[in-house]
Amino acid sequence: GAGVSQSPSNKVTEKGKDVELRCDPISGHTALYWYRQSLGQGLEFLIYFQGNSAPDKSGLPSDRFSAERTGGSVSTLTIQRTQQEDSAVYLCASSLRVEDWAQYFGPGTRLTVL
Amino acid sequence: DQQVKQNSPSLSVQEGRISILNCDYTNSMFDYFLWYKKYPAEGPTFLISISSIKDKNEDGRFTVFLNKSAKHLSLHIVPSQPGDSAVYFCAATPTGTASKLTFGTGTRLQVTL
Repeated sequence: GAGVSQSPSNKVTEKGKDVELRCDPISGHTALYWYRQSLGQGLEFLIYFQGNSAPDKSGLPSDRFSAERTGGSVSTLTIQRTQQEDSAVYLCASSLRVEDWAQYFGPGTRLTVL
Repeated sequence: DQQVKQNSPSLSVQEGRISILNCDYTNSMFDYFLWYKKYPAEGPTFLISISSIKDKNEDGRFTVFLNKSAKHLSLHIVPSQPGDSAVYFCAATPTGTASKLTFGTGTRLQVTL
């Protein structure tokens, strides 16, 4: 079966523009996570969705960041008015349930803000 | 505030020898620990995990050891193979939830012939 997919794989944008990053989780996985990895840093938790429950947004760094998950499947991470410090690899992961320890990651989207 | 630390950014080991990757953590609420492996241009892949009620978990060539009193865990790979060359991330999560994994910065392992 297909793994987690993300698009685009690379995104270059100008400071101040909005960007949307897409994640298609593994079919049937109810939990979906967004992380980012800045240069020289570990993966930083951003947000997770579990089924129809309200998402845990505690990791979002500012109100310029938002995410939604439509129909319990595809998720979009939106960054408004991008800043240079938003440059990072944004990784999406999914798991069958949030109680499952192993999360399955997509290949990531490399965002570069000029 | 780095709650999960991997102090060695890189490690080089000869094929057939043991690779030991280390990880330290500061948050005493962490009770489940995972190792992920990451190849270039791919997302991290789950490798092995351990619960705080254990001090060792083994899966084939991979063994994870947990020393709770020292807040230290290590991943042993025996014997090391060239295909093991990758970046290894240690991750931890607190009691009662598998969400919000906290990751270390990774150790790049190079297995040489």
